[in-house]
Amino acid sequence: EAEVAQSPRYKITEKSQAVAFWCDPISGHATLYWYRQILGQGPELLVQFQDESVVDDSQLPKDRFSAERLKGVDSTLKIQPAELGDSAMYLCASSSRPDLRGSPLHFGNGTRLTVT
Amino acid sequence: QQQVKQSPQSLIVQKGGISIINCAYENTAFDYFPWYQQFPGKGPALLIAIRPDVSEKKEGRFTISFNKSAKQFSLHIMDSQPGDSATYFCAASGAGGTSYGKLTFGQGTILTVHP
Repeated sequence: EAEVAQSPRYKITEKSQAVAFWCDPISGHATLYWYRQILGQGPELLVQFQDESVVDDSQLPKDRFSAERLKGVDSTLKIQPAELGDSAMYLCASSSRPDLRGSPLHFGNGTRLTVT
Repeated sequence: QQQVKQSPQSLIVQKGGISIINCAYENTAFDYFPWYQQFPGKGPALLIAIRPDVSEKKEGRFTISFNKSAKQFSLHIMDSQPGDSATYFCAASGAGGTSYGKLTFGQGTILTVHP
């Protein structure tokens, strides 16, 4: 079964440093999402892409977070500078039909970020 | 308006027992209510989902009950097995455009099934 690929699996960085996460969605999925999951909580949407365009980034802290999907396939989420409160699991997900109720969201296994 | 509240935070059940997790939502625009299962070190995976015009949906040992007037829905796991031990999230999303993937998640329930 096709999977959403994410790397790295784990990342430890010092506060004020820059960090980047990569995601490769399931082939053919035009819609890609980045979610943040703080330990002990449910995932929260950060940004949604349709092909290479941002559809919704209303919950993305734009002063320090940026996301891009230049060719409409893989995507990078960047944090600069990282803060202690950014420690979380960053999950990427993709969907083939986000306009269709019941079309599942496929999640990757995430990148666990620890900021020290 | 966007919150989904989930309870309990944790649940311990004996093998063969029934696990029940409850969720409540506020936004009446939500019209898709999935449940996700997450194992340690893994991303969430869709378990079962319901739409608001249906009061119950069953898939194997998993059943969603939905009460539109109360804005509540619940997951029942019958004959719970140790392999069901995981974190369960309820979620909701609204209609229109490409919004079904923009999920609002509950806080999660850690289920432990003892053998």
